Amino acid sequence: AQSVTQLGSHVSVSEGALVLLRCNYSSSVPPYLFWYVQYPNQGLQLLLKYTTGATLVKGINGFEAEFKKSETSFHLTKPSAHMSDAAEYFCAVSPYGSARQLTFGSGTQLTVLP
Amino acid sequence: EAGVTQSPTHLIKTRGQQATLRCSPISGHTSVYWYQQALGLGLQFLLWYDEGEERNRGNFPPRFSGRQFPNYSSELNVNALELEDSALYLCASSLRTSTNYGYTFGSGTRLTVV
Repeated sequence: AQSVTQLGSHVSVSEGALVLLRCNYSSSVPPYLFWYVQYPNQGLQLLLKYTTGATLVKGINGFEAEFKKSETSFHLTKPSAHMSDAAEYFCAVSPYGSARQLTFGSGTQLTVLP
Repeated sequence: EAGVTQSPTHLIKTRGQQATLRCSPISGHTSVYWYQQALGLGLQFLLWYDEGEERNRGNFPPRFSGRQFPNYSSELNVNALELEDSALYLCASSLRTSTNYGYTFGSGTRLTVV
């Protein structure tokens, strides 16, 4: 079984500041990890994913995340926030080697202040 | 390439009625997933269909059901609607053997039960 915990349901940052959205996972097997973004009244868009290989993963819109097995974490970062980054972000996990559905975290609403 | 399409965009039903939601996956994708996104509850997994078969089901009552057609499109049916069924229903698709690469989501159907 797997689960995802996103710390902080709401995060506010100033435009130009560092964005850090936290995600911790629990999985009985090595995980595949994902970050999705949801803009108002839209579906979810894949930002980035970790499957195997390099633990620092770069995604779209300047976001990146680092898989840390020892900390069971997959935090999402962006060096400089932009107003257009305001959205809800979801972390998700899928068990390696098994065709199962993704399990999502509860989401973090990011607000970018001018 | 057309994305995942869902219809209708909005649906208003009366308590006790039935609702039917439809999803067309990306061409070539054989797996379809349904998620419920109720206010404050994140994404809850409903159903997974692949190759016309139900592969897995989330923790929802039997009045939530669906099917997948030979062209891989899918239908979600909700019987005996209750007020708490009001939510955004998201459909996603993937290649069955590539679920570890994430899903592509549709924009959702907003179901309102009054």
